[in-house]
Amino acid sequence: DAGVTQSPTHLIKTRGQHVTLRCSPISGHKSVSWYQQVLGQGPQFIFQYYEKEERGRGNFPDRFSARQFPNYSSELNVNALLLGDSALYLCASSLTGSETQYFGPGTRLLVL
Amino acid sequence: DAKTTQPTSMDCAEGRAANLPCNHSTISGNEYVYWYRQIHSQGPQYIIHGLKNNETNEMASLIITEDRKSSTLILPHATLRDTAVYYCIVRGGAAGNKLTFGGGTRVLVKP
Repeated sequence: DAGVTQSPTHLIKTRGQHVTLRCSPISGHKSVSWYQQVLGQGPQFIFQYYEKEERGRGNFPDRFSARQFPNYSSELNVNALLLGDSALYLCASSLTGSETQYFGPGTRLLVL
Repeated sequence: DAKTTQPTSMDCAEGRAANLPCNHSTISGNEYVYWYRQIHSQGPQYIIHGLKNNETNEMASLIITEDRKSSTLILPHATLRDTAVYYCIVRGGAAGNKLTFGGGTRVLVKP
């Protein structure tokens, strides 16, 4: 069975640009969560979506937004990129959001 | 969120059991203890979780004390591929469904 997939694997952007990261959950999972992991730290929660509705939001600025599609895949959008947005962005899926979350391999974003 | 405290790092010998402690003294009755590990530059990998009873799966065993204020993850026969950062996380209850990661324990398995 395919696990959580994310695209792209790596991305380089410049300050001020916009980026869209994509995530496909495990088949049958209806909830997707996004996390940011800055080098040397543990992942930090950004968003959780279930059935296309936002169920939780971490302490991130409004430049960060996300959505979930009818097929339960999800996009994370970050506007007006800052150098500090350079990180590994992780997507995790679960059945309804309250069960075990399984992570994808992440997208490594470098902002120059 | 219930906080967890883990040692920063530990070494263990290949083939021996690795016992990873975690303190979560403020855990509430409906919060679960989860363990994940992260091998360099990869996404976190789920290992095991439990509420109050001890749990075992093909990867590890989880021992939770009776008062639930601490737990131990046991890797029964550590291999070099078990070298990773191990995160103990308390999840659920008022904190909801998000995972709050701390610094974890950096485990180095040595031959």
